[in-house]
Amino acid sequence: SAVISQKPSRDICQRGTSLTIQCQVDSQVTMMFWYRQQPGQSLTLIATANQGSEATYESGFVIDKFPISRPNLTFSTLTVSNMSPEDSSIYLCSVEGRGDEQFFGPGTRLTVL
Amino acid sequence: GENVEQHPSTLSVQEGDSAVIKCTYSDSASNYFPWYKQELGKRPQLIIDIRSNVGEKKDQRIAVTLNKTAKHFSLHITETQPEDSAVYFCAASDRGTYKYIFGTGTRLKVLA
Repeated sequence: SAVISQKPSRDICQRGTSLTIQCQVDSQVTMMFWYRQQPGQSLTLIATANQGSEATYESGFVIDKFPISRPNLTFSTLTVSNMSPEDSSIYLCSVEGRGDEQFFGPGTRLTVL
Repeated sequence: GENVEQHPSTLSVQEGDSAVIKCTYSDSASNYFPWYKQELGKRPQLIIDIRSNVGEKKDQRIAVTLNKTAKHFSLHITETQPEDSAVYFCAASDRGTYKYIFGTGTRLKVLA
């Protein structure tokens, strides 16, 4: 499976600020995904990011709050904008495997004060 | 849209016993069902998956069964070990969209 890294691994931010999370893969992948995992909860898909097209957002998530970039087939960023304490979560990227499976990055633990 | 329910939310078993976690899904278009294990502070790890053209799949101590008619699938872990303690998530996906809808998770504790 692909080797996936995320930066930063964790951060503590002040409300009203923005944080950009990076996801790097060691091989080219068509589809990358961003998930949110609130404390003690399950994973919720934020958006699907394909290279060369705009990200597709799920219900409840909007581009102004979570802008995503996908400049090439190995990299993506997710920005959490104008943060509030409710945005405190783990943010994970994932990539498609050879079949239908997805593999996850290590996650970014975000705390908003 | 798809909705995935997962039960139980917590499960405690004695080491060596079996554990069963069940999920139901709502969208008949879903045709791929992965299971992930997430240890504390770690990323979700794919442990087994099943496609809709298969009724059962086994990998050593782990097996998954699928009942398409009833729209439910289950994870079976036999001969449980303390290192099996983790949170397990099921998911359902339409292979056409690659979108995963996750269940709410099951916290499994294997008691030594």
